[in-house]
This record gives sequence, C-alpha cells and structure tokens, in this order.
Amino acid sequence: GAVVSQHPSWVICKSGTSVKIECRSLDFQATTMFWYRQFPKQSLMLMATSNEGSKATYEQGVEKDKFLINHASLTLSTLTVTSAHPEDSSFYICSARETGDYGYTFGSGTRLTVV
Amino acid sequence: DAKTTQPTSMDCAEGRAANLPCNHSTISGNEYVYWYRQIHSQGPQYIIHGLKNNETNEMASLIITEDRKSSTLILPHATLRDTAVYYCIVMGNNNDMRFGAGTRLTVKP
Repeated sequence: GAVVSQHPSWVICKSGTSVKIECRSLDFQATTMFWYRQFPKQSLMLMATSNEGSKATYEQGVEKDKFLINHASLTLSTLTVTSAHPEDSSFYICSARETGDYGYTFGSGTRLTVV
Repeated sequence: DAKTTQPTSMDCAEGRAANLPCNHSTISGNEYVYWYRQIHSQGPQYIIHGLKNNETNEMASLIITEDRKSSTLILPHATLRDTAVYYCIVMGNNNDMRFGAGTRLTVKP
C-alpha cells in the first residue's frame, strides 16, 4: 500500500529558530498533501492543503507567514515553522492520497518541542 | 462538510466485538464515511470506508444505516492492540479530511 514518510520524527529547537519538516510519498505521486497539527489530548486540526506547483491553501486562523509550505515535487511537501515559539510545540502530521485510492495515508508525525 | 458525533470513550473486553457508533445526520448523497484510528503518538491509520453498502475488510466491518445518517464500526474480536482513538469522518466534496473528537476505545483484558 501507499506509504508516507515524515522526517524528522521528533525535533527540539530553540525559541526564535526555524524548523523544517518533510513529508514524502514513497511509492506514489501526490499532487495534494495535507498538514495537520495536534495538541496533547486533542484531535487533529487541518492547517493547510499543499498543492504541487502552486501556493498552499491555509485554514482560517493559520498564519501562512509562520507556517511556510513548499510542495515543489509530486513526492515532497515541506512545512517550515518559522521563528518558532514554545506555543508552536505540537505534533505535526502530513497526509497524501494516491490517485485512484479512496483514503488518505498519514505520515508517522513529527513532535516539535520549542524550548 | 457533514459533522460527525461520536461517544467520547468506550470500553471493550478483549476478544469481544467492539461496536463504535457514529452519527452523521447531515451527510450528503455523494459523501463517503471513513474510519481511521490513532494509536498514541502515531499518525492515523486507515481502517475502512463506505458510501451506502455495508463493507468488510480484514480489520473491521462498517455498517451504514439505510438513511445514511449513522454508521457503526465493528471490530469483531478486539485485542489489546486495538486500544486507540477511533475517528469517524465524512469526506467533503473538496476532498479534505477533517477530524472530530473521536472515540477513545480501551480494550481491557
């Protein structure tokens, strides 16, 4: 089946620095990928839709200048958390769908801790 | 997108069937019902999906009512490894997947 790889699985960074998270579709091409954020004991919240070759679509309330999304190829989308602060500490998850499949495959997630 | 309502938590005895309900009374005719589960600190895992008919795969069965306003996910023989948060999701016309609060299923020995 379809596999989505997310890297890194965890990262600790200092406040004010930027962190890049990669999401790769390993054995299929994905024109659309989705980015989610999940705080402890809460559900996944859709942050943005990443479209290959075009600008990402952000959900209301998500700062596009803070969460930079680049979907430069059909197998890779990146999420950069710029000028990270402790409140950005969260579990970030991406998903993608192989053409012809009905469901979405999710990455294993990235736990970001900003200190 | 149609909103879903699920119980906050459920318990199930190991080896017994786990029946997880979901209400989606505002579902549209062409919207699918998906079930995913999330084990702690992992990404969600696809379980099953359906439109109108009941569906079964190696993981679970999905029973959708005739009016499509509710569905039930059935894990026929729950094991301890089935302890997770289960999400019922209605796939919108724009094909994005939005999660509700889900049901925390605890399988007990």
